[in-house]
Parts: sequence; structure tokens; C-alpha cells
Amino acid sequence: AQSVAQPEDQVNVAEGNPLTVKCTYSVSGNPYLFWYVQYPNRGLQFLLKYITGDNLVKGSYGFEAEFNKSQTSFHLKKPSALVSDSALYFCAVRSLPGGYQKVTFGTGTKLQVIP
Amino acid sequence: EPEVTQTPSHQVTQMGQEVILRCVPISNHLYFYWYRQILGQKVEFLVSFYNNEISEKSEIFDDQFSVERPDGSNFTLKIRSTKLEDSAMYFCASSDGGATEAFFGQGTRLTVV
Repeated sequence: AQSVAQPEDQVNVAEGNPLTVKCTYSVSGNPYLFWYVQYPNRGLQFLLKYITGDNLVKGSYGFEAEFNKSQTSFHLKKPSALVSDSALYFCAVRSLPGGYQKVTFGTGTKLQVIP
Repeated sequence: EPEVTQTPSHQVTQMGQEVILRCVPISNHLYFYWYRQILGQKVEFLVSFYNNEISEKSEIFDDQFSVERPDGSNFTLKIRSTKLEDSAMYFCASSDGGATEAFFGQGTRLTVV
């Protein structure tokens, strides 16, 4: 079984400050980790992924995430938050092989960037 | 840029009626999925589809639900005899398999009254 935990329902950060949205995962085998963002009344937009290689991955809109195998974490970060970053962020995990291709999502973290 | 498209964007139906939600996945993708999200909450997996058959389904995906790829381009989710608790945003997604990300459509908001 695979699961994702996002311990914070909401994160508030001042514009210009660094932001972190936390995610931990549980999966048997190698994890394939993703972050998605959802703006109000919109679909899920892919931000970034970790498959293998460097533990720090860079994605869209200046976001990055750090994979930490020992802590089973994949926290989303951005050095300087923008008001337009305010949205719902979902961490997700997929486990291969086995033919199971589903992605399991966390419960989501609402990011509020305060002007 | 290729994208997953879903129709309709909003569907209102009476309880007990059947609905069909439609999706056009990205053309060279092999894996297709349906997820649902209730009131901006957790995104829940419903079903995955590969090689013209269901590869995995969740406990939510009971006999009320079915999926089909009728013509090689569309991917549909049918809900028979809808219930009030079926009201949700339904997302279609596709991927080319392997370790790549799934691409999601904009969703269909289903309201059962």
C-alpha cells in the first residue's frame, strides 16, 4: 500500500518570504513523488517530480522539492513566495512496478501568501 | 501543448439518473484514470485503465460505476443510478506509463439533486 501525509491543512507565509509545504510518504519499493497545484475551480497542474537522481528537484514557477529517503519526506519549497502562489497543493506518490500506475494523493495543504 | 479535455464542465442530474462523463486523454498516452474530489478536499483514486481493461480500482468504484474507451480516443466514466453522495468534481488523467507524471483534465463538476 502507498500513502502520503500532508500534516498541515494550511500554511500562511508573507510575500517575499521562503515557503515550505511538508509531505511524507509511505511506499514499498522505490517512490515516485509528485507535487501538484490546484487553483480555485480548476484542475490539477503538475509542478515537479522526483524519480531518481539528485535529491533536490526543480519545477515550475520557481518551486523546488527535496527528497529525503531517511525521513521519507518530499517537502515543497520556494525561496520567495508570491501572492499568486496562493492555492491548494497536493503531494502524491506512485509505486512501480507491478503494473499499478495509480497515484495516491495527500489531503492537500492550502497555501496562503499574505501581501 | 497537449492536454486532457473533459466534457461537460458541469453536469446537474437528478438522483437515480445515469450520467456519462467524457474525457479525451493525450493521444499517445497508454494509461487512463478517473479520480474524484469532494468539495475541494482529498483527491481520491477511482480506477485505472490500460490495454482496454481495468488495471486497478478502488473500493469506491463499485457496480454503480463503469469505464469504457469506445473509439480509441474517448474515455468515459458512467455512473448508473446516481446518488446524492456522488456529487463531486471528477477528474480524468492520462500518462504514458513508466515513472512519468499523470496529466489531469480540468474536471467535471457533477451535482446530483
